[in-house]
Amino acid sequence: SQKIEQNSEALNIQEGKTATLTCNYTNYSPAYLQWYRQDPGRGPVFLLLIRENEKEKRKERLKVTFDTTLKQSLFHITASQPADSATYLCALDGSGGYNKLIFGAGTRLAVHP
Amino acid sequence: KAGVTQTPRYLIKTRGQQVTLSCSPISGHRSVSWYQQTPGQGLQFLFEYFSETQRNKGNFPGRFSGRQFSNSRSEMNVSTLELGDSALYLCASSMGLAGAETQYFGPGTRLLVL
Repeated sequence: SQKIEQNSEALNIQEGKTATLTCNYTNYSPAYLQWYRQDPGRGPVFLLLIRENEKEKRKERLKVTFDTTLKQSLFHITASQPADSATYLCALDGSGGYNKLIFGAGTRLAVHP
Repeated sequence: KAGVTQTPRYLIKTRGQQVTLSCSPISGHRSVSWYQQTPGQGLQFLFEYFSETQRNKGNFPGRFSGRQFSNSRSEMNVSTLELGDSALYLCASSMGLAGAETQYFGPGTRLLVL
């Protein structure tokens, strides 16, 4: 069956370090993958999109990689700050349908001063 | 530009009742998608509407339905509420013209079924 897995445990890191979050998927062949940030009580906010023919994408302190052979995406936040503390969700396009996103369960990141 | 708005923000209903939630997309966006978020199942896709037509559907029972109006505003309806329908219901909007688009989410409607 189709499955998307993210680090189930919360990730605790010190301010200034690089946070690395993992998204693995099985039985999917997504054309693209997206990462969102969600704060408690709020809707997800889009961060980055990476397509199947792209290996890496960067935006300011954020970097995403996409390995379609390993069926894995890594999401990095460099020089992390306490304000980066949130839940991070990866999402794949579902069944080739427009705007039908299949989300992972999310990884909670806590950045400590 | 105003973001996606959802009303109401909070709702309490009892089992067997029905509920209607509303979503106003960002101006110019023609696609509205609905998601259910629960602690156990995470974010799950319900359906997507584009130009007043349902274009995609998730794996939810027929008690969950939706519609979209000519101004792109959308409503979703849940009939015969069950305890398990307690969740945060999120809508997201986008232009709807390409396969890979940023989804802009609203703040959600938190539904509690007693």
